[in-house]
Amino acid sequence: EAQVTQNPRYLITVTGKKLTVTCSQNMNHEYMSWYRQDPGLGLRQIYYSMNVEVTDKGDVPEGYKVSRKEKRNFPLILESPSPNQTSLYFCASSLRPYSYNEQFFGPGTRLTVL
Amino acid sequence: QQPVQSPQAVILREGEDAVINCSSSKALYSVHWYRQKHGEAPVFLMILLKGGEQKGHDKISASFNEKKQQSSLYLTASQLSYSGTYFCGTEKVDGGATNKLIFGTGTLLAVQP
Repeated sequence: EAQVTQNPRYLITVTGKKLTVTCSQNMNHEYMSWYRQDPGLGLRQIYYSMNVEVTDKGDVPEGYKVSRKEKRNFPLILESPSPNQTSLYFCASSLRPYSYNEQFFGPGTRLTVL
Repeated sequence: QQPVQSPQAVILREGEDAVINCSSSKALYSVHWYRQKHGEAPVFLMILLKGGEQKGHDKISASFNEKKQQSSLYLTASQLSYSGTYFCGTEKVDGGATNKLIFGTGTLLAVQP
């Protein structure tokens, strides 16, 4: 089944404890992206990747890191999480990094930083 | 800069129509529409590119007026399954089509029996 998977789905952690949220897609998509969703703010892009080893900042990249060593994986790293990073995170992918390609979203990861 | 969606919320009875608007202050290359049901991931509805074409998907259609930098989503004869939050995602005209979207804050649509 074609899909975008994220792990973990739920995570409660403490301030400063490094964590990684994994994202994987099995559709051979070139483009992958991370979003965070907060009430009243909609979806905001954190980082995106046009292809392997090509990443760039989105609108809210502070406090996050990403890497794209393989086409299928695009992990999101929080080196030192803070409570303002408590949010619902979505990974998305599309076949090509162009406007006419729909994005497929993963199921989401709900992160709480205490 | 996030596009502005209106209304923020709308309640309908089954069979009624609704229009959701999405406006940007920047020149747009494309507008994407997604629907998110409660507790689920956003799901793609349609994409409109520069050119002003109107698209349809069952009883849901959309238009894109690039001169006004606006898009509208039309839901006709709404069904219970249309309930959810609708997001527009816009892409600015600034150096090529990259699928780098900026999403609006969403419109909550509730369809009641």
